[in-house]
Amino acid sequence: AQSVTQLDSQVPVFEEAPVELRCNYSSSVSVYLFWYVQYPNQGLQLLLKYLSGSTLVKGINGFEAEFNKSQTSFHLRKPSVHISDTAEYFCAVSGTGGGNKLTFGTGTQLKVEL
Amino acid sequence: DAGITQSPRHKVTETGTPVTLRCHQTENHRYMYWYRQDPGHGLRLIHYSYGVKDTDKGEVSDGYSVSRSKTEDFLLTLESATSSQTSVYFCAIYGTGNNEQFFGPGTRLTVL
Repeated sequence: AQSVTQLDSQVPVFEEAPVELRCNYSSSVSVYLFWYVQYPNQGLQLLLKYLSGSTLVKGINGFEAEFNKSQTSFHLRKPSVHISDTAEYFCAVSGTGGGNKLTFGTGTQLKVEL
Repeated sequence: DAGITQSPRHKVTETGTPVTLRCHQTENHRYMYWYRQDPGHGLRLIHYSYGVKDTDKGEVSDGYSVSRSKTEDFLLTLESATSSQTSVYFCAIYGTGNNEQFFGPGTRLTVL
């Protein structure tokens, strides 16, 4: 079984400032890791994913995340945020076997202010 | 965008009534999932399917049943709705080629 902890429920940040959203996971097996974004009243959209290989993963909209196996973390970063990045962000984990059942964190609400 | 739709998009019902939500895909994917989203809980897996007539329980399956009689449709049924089942329900499909799930637009269900 896996679990995901998103340490911050809300993160306020000013426009053009950098941001980091934290995610830690727990698993007894190898994992795939994902970040999804949810804009108000919409479904979830994949930002980026780590399957294997390079631990630094780049995604859409200028976001990136780094997989750290020793610290069981997969933090999401963006060097300069925009108002349009205001949304809820979910970290998720799955095993590497068939089925891809996702376990989600509780989400982090990113609020970008002028 | 992946071809996945959900119906209805909004529903208000009364406690004790049966409710069925439909998920339809045009991608011919083998795996389909139902999640519920609640504040403070993120998304939690209710049931999933790994093929026609092949389904299994997820983390929060009590009070829900599912059926999949054809590849493109995955139905979620609340046999007797309760107020604790007020939630936003998301369907997802999984493409083994790219190892990622695609989500539908969601169904907002209110049980009075």
